[in-house]
Amino acid sequence: DAGVIQSPRHEVTEMGQEVTLRCKPISGHNSLFWYRQTMMRGLELLIYFNNNVPIDDSGMPEDRFSAKMPNASFSTLKIQPSEPRDSAVYFCATTGNSATNEKLFFGSGTQLSVL
Amino acid sequence: GQQLNQSPQSMFIQEGEDVSMNCTSSSIFNTWLWYKQEPGEGPVLLIALYKAGELTSNGRLTAQFGITRKDSFLNISASIPSDVGIYFCAGPGNSGNTPLVFGKGTRLSVIA
Repeated sequence: DAGVIQSPRHEVTEMGQEVTLRCKPISGHNSLFWYRQTMMRGLELLIYFNNNVPIDDSGMPEDRFSAKMPNASFSTLKIQPSEPRDSAVYFCATTGNSATNEKLFFGSGTQLSVL
Repeated sequence: GQQLNQSPQSMFIQEGEDVSMNCTSSSIFNTWLWYKQEPGEGPVLLIALYKAGELTSNGRLTAQFGITRKDSFLNISASIPSDVGIYFCAGPGNSGNTPLVFGKGTRLSVIA
């Protein structure tokens, strides 16, 4: 298996633009998590899905952030409009055992820079 | 909410030295996990601990689940340059089926 695949690896955009980050989970994994990593705050959970259904989005910082999982093999995280403070590394992670959620498999992340 | 505090925040060591880092919490955890993040990649699970007092090894890495269930330790023996990275401790949230809580990590640099 290729693991969790995220795209793009790097994104540079201007303030106010829409940004869409993409994630393809490992086949058969039924839980998907979006994390944001910054030096100041470390790894922050933004939202997670079980069986394509959003379970907890309390970590989503503002209404500018939205996430979807239209099917078991694809998820997006959208920021509209983007702001410089959104600059961070965004990770998608998946697990096949939603009961424990302990062995998370992370993608390589998307490095987002908002100018 | 639950928080995990890791120390030290960063370490600079000479190749060949042993490394110790720890993770503490104000609340009890029933599982402790240690992840490593290499530069430009996502975190990868190194060791999982399930029982208070448990000591588990993975090559040169050894981790312990504290007796109080409020702390855990990770040791690396005879460090090598590829040990560079950020080491995170993590544990399940308050309920049985909630996402992991991560510490802020210990950044390890190894000087050859």
